Amino acid sequence: GAGVSQSPRYKVAKRGQDVALRCDPISGHVSLFWYQQALGQGPEFLTYFQNEAQLDKSGLPSDRFFAERPEGSVSTLKIQRTQQEDSAVYLCASSLVGGTVTNTGELFFGEGSRLTVL
Amino acid sequence: AQKITQTQPGMFVQEKEAVTLDCTYDTSDQSYGLFWYKQPSSGEMIFLIYQGSYDEQNATEGRYSLNFQKARKSANLVISASQLGDSAMYFCAMRESYGQNFVFGPGTRLSVLP
Repeated sequence: GAGVSQSPRYKVAKRGQDVALRCDPISGHVSLFWYQQALGQGPEFLTYFQNEAQLDKSGLPSDRFFAERPEGSVSTLKIQRTQQEDSAVYLCASSLVGGTVTNTGELFFGEGSRLTVL
Repeated sequence: AQKITQTQPGMFVQEKEAVTLDCTYDTSDQSYGLFWYKQPSSGEMIFLIYQGSYDEQNATEGRYSLNFQKARKSANLVISASQLGDSAMYFCAMRESYGQNFVFGPGTRLSVLP
């Protein structure tokens, strides 16, 4: 498809389980972002990739969170030993590289993966 | 420090009227971009409008316009002729300089009344 694709759309996990969330960005988009969005709040930055390089992971809330993008396209966000506070929508977004003022460089978002930890 | 501030948690507007959603930002960079996104109840994030820090004119996209006041560091979104379908969360966001991170504000929930 032409847009950002995320799977699964919904995931229910028992506390302590590991989960993996997948993001397939728009073809040709070099930059990829992961955000966490709690109900009624704005997206909170988790991590950013440029191609396969993870350039910023400052937003990952703990070492239970891990993201990868081994071939510079599909990315996976993994959460180990899930906790109830991990319940949120996880948004993936991609953009063309080149964050200059000569192009908008807007983010294109997927529909998100809603994680519920029981 | 909060980089994007949206002071209106919720706003109401009558259908067909105009509404302004406030956004102030904090940056020491000279080069940055400002964005507005709409998030309906279905959850998808929809890009609305962009303003570059060096753009001298306010951005416009159809019924959306951005009231950019650089000295005040504000980038308010104006929606003209509101429609029922405009009811959604609206997020202001910023990308600084040549960096790639996008920072989002807490959002404003707009409700359009018939």
